[in-house]
Amino acid sequence: QVQLEESGPGLVKPSETLSLTCGVSGYSISSGYYWVCIRQPPGKGLEWIGSIYHSGTTYYNPSLKSRVTMFVDTFKNQFSLKVTSVTAADTAVYYCGALDDSSGYGAVDYWGQGTLVTVSS
Amino acid sequence: QSVLTQPPSVSGAPGQRVTISCTGSSANIGAGYNVHWYQQLPGTAPKLLIYDNNNRPSGVPDRFSGSKSGTSASLAITGLQAEDEADYYCQSYDSSLSAYVVFGGGTKLTVL
Repeated sequence: QVQLEESGPGLVKPSETLSLTCGVSGYSISSGYYWVCIRQPPGKGLEWIGSIYHSGTTYYNPSLKSRVTMFVDTFKNQFSLKVTSVTAADTAVYYCGALDDSSGYGAVDYWGQGTLVTVSS
Repeated sequence: QSVLTQPPSVSGAPGQRVTISCTGSSANIGAGYNVHWYQQLPGTAPKLLIYDNNNRPSGVPDRFSGSKSGTSASLAITGLQAEDEADYYCQSYDSSLSAYVVFGGGTKLTVL
């Protein structure tokens, strides 16, 4: 059973960088899955931020691509997200997930519990 | 504005059948990409409900079913129960700017 746990700062100031770490347990990050970050602004829907494979290959939402970086640490069995130049519009619950890689177009099989990140001065 | 369009809300009485539509285009659902559905209970993370158009993960009741045709997909829930009250999201892929993950805007199901 794959388990994911997000850890982040909770509060980030405008124009600064949001950093989120997703710890993976019960599964080796190098064994498969695309590892994904998804966010949900308060009261709104889900937005895919990006995906990363254990090889380091990344895919980003075009609307966020200029501000987003994801990287994977196979030794610590975790992956991370950075979003630069944040504004209030980046306030959201951020989720980590494991997306099935068998077909290349799979579902998010496992989700973390989510962590709220608020952008405010 | 979501790439995949869902009705904002649907409702039904206990025991009834409801459907939730997910409308896309030739760049996503119509291009042959699989559609997946998630259930999000209040205050919790989404949970995979249907994968690859019409498959249920282990533990999901057979009251939930999915279908896909052309540029649209649907989630059907039969024998509606109070605990089904939740937000439901469809998800697929879009090839218009490389194949990336897209979600519907979500549908709030109210059990009357």
